[in-house]
Amino acid sequence: GAGVSQTPSNKVTEKGKYVELRCDPISGHTALYWYRQSLGQGPEFLIYFQGTGAADDSGLPNDRFFAVRPEGSVSTLKIQRTERGDSAVYLCASSSTGANSGANVLTFGAGSRLTVL
Amino acid sequence: RKEVEQDPGPFNVPEGATVAFNCTYSNSASQSFFWYRQDCRKEPKLLMSVYSSGNEDGRFTAQLNRASQYISLLIRDSKLSDSATYLCVVKGAGSARQLTFGSGTQLTVLP
Repeated sequence: GAGVSQTPSNKVTEKGKYVELRCDPISGHTALYWYRQSLGQGPEFLIYFQGTGAADDSGLPNDRFFAVRPEGSVSTLKIQRTERGDSAVYLCASSSTGANSGANVLTFGAGSRLTVL
Repeated sequence: RKEVEQDPGPFNVPEGATVAFNCTYSNSASQSFFWYRQDCRKEPKLLMSVYSSGNEDGRFTAQLNRASQYISLLIRDSKLSDSATYLCVVKGAGSARQLTFGSGTQLTVLP
């Protein structure tokens, strides 16, 4: 597509529920990133995919968080047993080059705003 | 200590003013540096890369001092449309190659 598309744009859920957030990157971009942004903070790295594999998942805060990219395009971020502290904007970004490239410019989607009540 | 630190502001300046933002980073092996701009409730967008020799893009000038681990952004002749949060971004070295964002500096340009 023309840009990075994220759905849903807003998600309100109750504590303990399961949530899936979807990202459709720019067509042809092999690298895909998930970041999380809390109010007043910069984006915080969660996970990076190069193709279908998670090349770096060091930013996932705990085992309640999981992400997949089975066909190397669309990615889904999955959060189990949501907690109030998970409330944030979840940003997806894609790049035509991988993280090993010094010139990897990220194009972000508009984000999915998650609110856990 | 945070990996990337910025003065959060807010900076409130009149139209036409010159304003400078500073940023420091902790990892001396960091490889690449950027400034991103984020409008309210929008996604971050790349403003410019920062090169060792310093670089300019219109009214925007970025500087890098590797010895002091310091990055700056200068905006000349501020416009109302420059109002946004400016994020300092550092790309790691070795296995930590992801972009690390500062918390951002909020700028409001007043008429």
